[in-house]
Amino acid sequence: DVKVTQSSRYLVKRTGEKVFLECVQDMDHENMFWYRQDPGLGLRLIYFSYDVKMKEKGDIPEGYSVSREKKERFSLILESASTNQTSMYLCASSDPRGQNEKLFFGSGTQLSVL
Amino acid sequence: GEDVEQSLFLSVREGDSSVINCTYTDSSSTYLYWYKQEPGAGLQLLTYIFSNMDMKQDQRLTVLLNKKDKHLSLRIADTQTGDSAIYFCAEWVGGFKTIFGAGTRLFVKA
Repeated sequence: DVKVTQSSRYLVKRTGEKVFLECVQDMDHENMFWYRQDPGLGLRLIYFSYDVKMKEKGDIPEGYSVSREKKERFSLILESASTNQTSMYLCASSDPRGQNEKLFFGSGTQLSVL
Repeated sequence: GEDVEQSLFLSVREGDSSVINCTYTDSSSTYLYWYKQEPGAGLQLLTYIFSNMDMKQDQRLTVLLNKKDKHLSLRIADTQTGDSAIYFCAEWVGGFKTIFGAGTRLFVKA
């Protein structure tokens, strides 16, 4: 069964801390994504990666960076966490060889920045 | 610009049919999706429809697409309490771009 695993289910951090959110997929997918989910706003794309060491900004990249050193792992980094980054973060992957862009999601990381 | 809209809440009684509606703006979308998010979980693909189709049926789920009106709906027959979740409408507009709606929270009353 396909799996996208996010390392933490809940995180509580303080303003100004550096935060790492980790995501691993076991499907050999080339594409990986980081979304942010806020009530009433749906999912908004932060960054995506279509290959190792390749990354592209999504719709809301400000305050975030990413790292993809290995195909299976995609990390989201908050260099200096702020309270407005309190949110649910969802990692996803997809196979570009498929007919359509079906996304496979992790369970999410609920981040609280105090 | 690209946008997907859906109502935020729907409440139905167990055993009734649920209909969740969605409108989208980008006419170049090739695939449209319904994702389900159960409490405390990520999104899971429920069903999808290719843009040249009008209808797709999968057991209790029926997807209707009106391309002229850019309207997508998901009908769940014989709704059960286990169907309580947030349902996201999404459209793939090509490349890496999938546009999601805000999600409809379905409440099923026993």
